[in-house]
Amino acid sequence: DAKTTQPPSMDCAEGRAANLPCNHSTISGNEYVYWYRQIHSQGPQYIIHGLKNNETNEMASLIITEDRKSSTLILPHATLRDTAVYYCIVRVAVWETSGSRLTFGEGTQLTVNP
Amino acid sequence: GAGVSQSPSNKVTEKGKDVELRCDPISGHTALYWYRQSLGQGLEFLIYFQGNSAPDKSGLPSDRFSAERTGGSVSTLTIQRTQQEDSAVYLCASSLSTGKPQHFGDGTRLSIL
Repeated sequence: DAKTTQPPSMDCAEGRAANLPCNHSTISGNEYVYWYRQIHSQGPQYIIHGLKNNETNEMASLIITEDRKSSTLILPHATLRDTAVYYCIVRVAVWETSGSRLTFGEGTQLTVNP
Repeated sequence: GAGVSQSPSNKVTEKGKDVELRCDPISGHTALYWYRQSLGQGLEFLIYFQGNSAPDKSGLPSDRFSAERTGGSVSTLTIQRTQQEDSAVYLCASSLSTGKPQHFGDGTRLSIL
C-alpha cells in the first residue's frame, strides 16, 4: 500500500471547520483513500473513504485532488468530541488477502479548543 | 445495532500464563481482523478471517499466538506463555466483507507482569 504523510498535530477552534491534509503521492489507480480516527482509549472509528470523487457523509467530507496525490478531510463544525488522532490510509482495492489489512501510520493529533 | 464487542476490556496476568481474548463481531459481518497496538505505536496486523477461507496468519508474531473463529462469528485470540512484550491493546475489527470499511471494538488492554 502507498505511504501517507500527515502533519503530526493540528489545532482547531470549536465550531470552526477542521481541514486535515494527507499526502499520498505514490498512490496507485486501484487504491482507495480511507480516513479513521481514534479517540483516547477507544478503538479506531471509520469516518469516510473515496477513490476519485469527493465524498460526504454525516461525519465529514473528503476532498481528493484530481491527480489523487493528496486529500483533505473536512469536519465542517468541529466539536470538543472531535479531538482525536486522525489516520489517513491508502488501501488497495484488489481483494487479495494482503489487501484486506489496514496499515496505520502516525496520524494527526487534532485538538479542538473551546 | 450493536458494534464489535471485545472481552475482557482489561486483563492483567503473570508472565508465562496463557490468555484468551474474545471478539464478537457485528452480526452479518463475514470478515474479522485482529490487530494490536503497543503504547504510543500504530496498529499492527495480526490475523484475518474471511468466511470459510483459510485465515491469513501472516501477521502473527510467533507461534505462541493463535486465533480461531468458530461458526463464522465469534473469534478467540490465544496467547500462550505470555511475555512482557505481549503487553498491548488487542483490537478486533469486522467488516461486511473483504474490502468494506472495518469497524473496530474498543480492544482488550493486556498487561503482562
